[in-house]
Parts: sequence; C-alpha cells; structure tokens
Amino acid sequence: DAGVIQSPRHEVTEMGQEVTLRCKPISGHNSLFWYRQTMMRGLELLIYFNNNVPIDDSGMPEDRFSAKMPNASFSTLKIQPSEPRDSAVYFCASSLRDGEAFFGQGTRLTVV
Amino acid sequence: DQQVKQNSPSLSVQEGRISILNCDYTNSMFDYFLWYKKYPAEGPTFLISISSIKDKNEDGRFTVFLNKSAKHLSLHIVPSQPGDSAVYFCAASVPPDKLIFGTGTRLQVFP
Repeated sequence: DAGVIQSPRHEVTEMGQEVTLRCKPISGHNSLFWYRQTMMRGLELLIYFNNNVPIDDSGMPEDRFSAKMPNASFSTLKIQPSEPRDSAVYFCASSLRDGEAFFGQGTRLTVV
Repeated sequence: DQQVKQNSPSLSVQEGRISILNCDYTNSMFDYFLWYKKYPAEGPTFLISISSIKDKNEDGRFTVFLNKSAKHLSLHIVPSQPGDSAVYFCAASVPPDKLIFGTGTRLQVFP
C-alpha cells in the first residue's frame, strides 16, 4: 500500500483565498484524522471521522474550517477565507483499529 | 486545555547513553498510549504503544513505562544512537478512536 497520501505537499496562498487540502487514507482503514502541527500546541487534532462520519470536530478552530469525507477513500479540509495565522503543517492520518494511526507526509500551508 | 503534556521541549543525550522522554496526561479515560517519532519534512511514524492495563512494554531498544496513579508515561531509549535524533510525540487514545497528541520533545543524540 502507498500509505496515506496528501496533496498538495506545499501550498502558498494569499490571505482571504480558499484553500483545500486533500487526503487519501490507507485502503481498509475506517478512521481518518486531520491534525495541525504548530510549535505551541504540537499535533493538534482538528477533526476525526469513523466510517466516513464526523465523530468529533471540537478541535476545528473556527467556522472558516470545514472537513468532508464523501467516501472511504477521500477527505478534504477546507479553509475559507484563509488567514496568515492558519500557516502550519497539516497532517492527515488513518487507522484500522483503536490507537495506531498512520500519517501522510503533510501539507505545509503558508498564507501571506 | 492540553490533555497530554510533554513538559520538556528538548533533550540532548550522548550516544550510547539512555534517553528518557516524559509525558503526563490528565484524562483518566485514556485507555491506550503511544509514542511517535517524527523526522523533518515527514509525517510522524508509530514507535511503540502500551495498553492501560499494563505498566511496561518493550521493543528492542525502546521501552515504555506507564504509571497510571501518577498519570505519567515515559519512553526509554537505550542505548541512544544518532539516528534517534528526532521529535518524539506522546499520544493517548480515548474510546472509541480519538487520538490526542502532546507538544513533542526534540531529542538530539550527539557523538
């Protein structure tokens, strides 16, 4: 298996623009997580899905953030409008059973 | 509200010596704990885990200890090697599947 695939690897956008991050989980995994890595908060859980259903989105910072999982092989994290403080590395991860999650390479987002 | 805390942002250890990374948690509902390792420009990778019903788990040079009464776990690496230099994240799982991470500790192993 190719592992968790995220795209793009790097994204530079202007403040106010819409940004969409994409994730393809490992086939057969039934849980999918979106994390944001910052110096202050480490790996911050934004939202996670189980069997394509959002279970906990309490980590989503604001209404500007939204996430969808239309099927078992695809998820998106959208920021609209983007702000400079959204600049971070965003990770997607998937898991099959409780605990061990496999991470993608991450998307480095820079909002200028 | 940081439920999983790694109070040491960095640690420097000489090659061959023991590295001890610490983690504290606040939620007694956590039932599974994990350590992840992260190199620059890569995603975190799973290293070792421990169930809340155990107090120790060992895998080669890596051992994780869990003290439930103190809500504390630690990762021991012995002997430390230069290739162990990375950021280590402690994580805890809340049923059914929520995985919460700490802020990370940067380990540097020098010759």
